Amino acid sequence: AQSVTQLGSHVSVSEGALVLLRCNYSSSVPPYLFWYVQYPNQGLQLLLKYTTGATLVKGINGFEAEFKKSETSFHLTKPSAHMSDAAEYFCAAMNSGGYQKVTFGIGTKLQVIP
Amino acid sequence: EAGVTQFPSHSVIEKGQTVTLRCDPISGHDNLYWYRRVMGKEIKFLLHFVKESKQDESGMPNNRFLAERTGGTYSTLKVQPAELEDSGVYFCASSQDRSHTIYFGEGSWLTVV
Repeated sequence: AQSVTQLGSHVSVSEGALVLLRCNYSSSVPPYLFWYVQYPNQGLQLLLKYTTGATLVKGINGFEAEFKKSETSFHLTKPSAHMSDAAEYFCAAMNSGGYQKVTFGIGTKLQVIP
Repeated sequence: EAGVTQFPSHSVIEKGQTVTLRCDPISGHDNLYWYRRVMGKEIKFLLHFVKESKQDESGMPNNRFLAERTGGTYSTLKVQPAELEDSGVYFCASSQDRSHTIYFGEGSWLTVV
């Protein structure tokens, strides 16, 4: 069964510093990969997704992620953290066969320190 | 265009009572999903509707949970009788046919005391 691992349930960065949130998936067949964000008292919002094609994908709010098949990873980055980036981030995977069931990681809470 | 809407946003009930959560998907979305996040755990899949049919209900925890989607529009998730371990956030989501993008609602927070 598909599994998604997020390293670090809590990550703190200083405002202006690089944000790096780690995600690894388990399947031998590369799945479709997603990052969702949940701001306080809001729902899950799609940040970006990888399905096929270019392995570096850009999302909203300056975030990007790179699919690395050899490392089974899909880490999320942002060059310079902003206070408004404080939220919980979820990595997720969907089997590329087209079945739409999504498997989530446990989530990483990002704290941005002024 | 309205997003996925869920009601109620918060609910506190006593153990043994019944709660019904409602989800209105984005108009035109045939796929509707229910997910749940128990405190400190992953968001987990409960079930998937395609129109009014249950495509996959493998994630439903037990027979105290009943999901319906009459007419292929809105869906309800009933928990009867509720237990303490049912507390968590219940997310509804929807997508168009064959789309990789799933849109989530804001969730329904359920607390069973």
